[in-house]
Amino acid sequence: DIVMTQSPLSLPVTPGEPASISCRSSQSLLHSNGNNYLDWYVQKPGHSPQLLIYLGSNRAPGVPDRFSGSGSGTDFTLKISRVEAEDVGVYYCMQALQTLMYSFGQGTKLEI
Amino acid sequence: QLQLQESGPRLVKPSETLSLTCTVSGGSISRTDSYWGWIRQPPGKGLEWIGSIYYSGSTYYTPSLKSRVTLSVDTSKDQFSLRLSSVTAADTAVYYCARHIWGYYRYFTYWGQGTLVTVSS
Repeated sequence: DIVMTQSPLSLPVTPGEPASISCRSSQSLLHSNGNNYLDWYVQKPGHSPQLLIYLGSNRAPGVPDRFSGSGSGTDFTLKISRVEAEDVGVYYCMQALQTLMYSFGQGTKLEI
Repeated sequence: QLQLQESGPRLVKPSETLSLTCTVSGGSISRTDSYWGWIRQPPGKGLEWIGSIYYSGSTYYTPSLKSRVTLSVDTSKDQFSLRLSSVTAADTAVYYCARHIWGYYRYFTYWGQGTLVTVSS
């Protein structure tokens, strides 16, 4: 099984400042087709998770461009260029490399 | 717009079987590009994928729960279901159903609102 490890687990931020979350996998998420099967989700308070980033760096439709994903292999990063109050929530990375067997990181709570 | 809604008992006794159904509306469960999954979240904790099912009935389970989980699908009702046997307090969680795609792109697209199931006598 692929184990996903996020850091930090808690991230206090100031509006307007940048924020960064790290996600590491226990094995490479780089597929032979060149894609990194790493997604980012955010769960806002009282809501279901929603997709932010797929294939490591592709923003989902409707996601503001202040969100960006990067990385390859086992090390990935989610960056928010300028945090807004509405970005409060818990951010999860998830690997989708293994055939129909998903695993999530522990989650990073972003708070203002 | 696709919508998913979980339903089922909110309280289950220890050692009994947890049963939930997810009803899909705004689209067919038989679409060939979709898989249908269950994810749970214990209170104050993170997300755990439980398993997924294809409209044909093919199933995929997380290893830690495989011996206790059964997923099924009813295409005539656009529903899929979860059964988790021999539950304990550790199975208390919000259970989400969700649609995901698998192939070149792999991610969860639509989620239900989630339902809290408590295991208690």
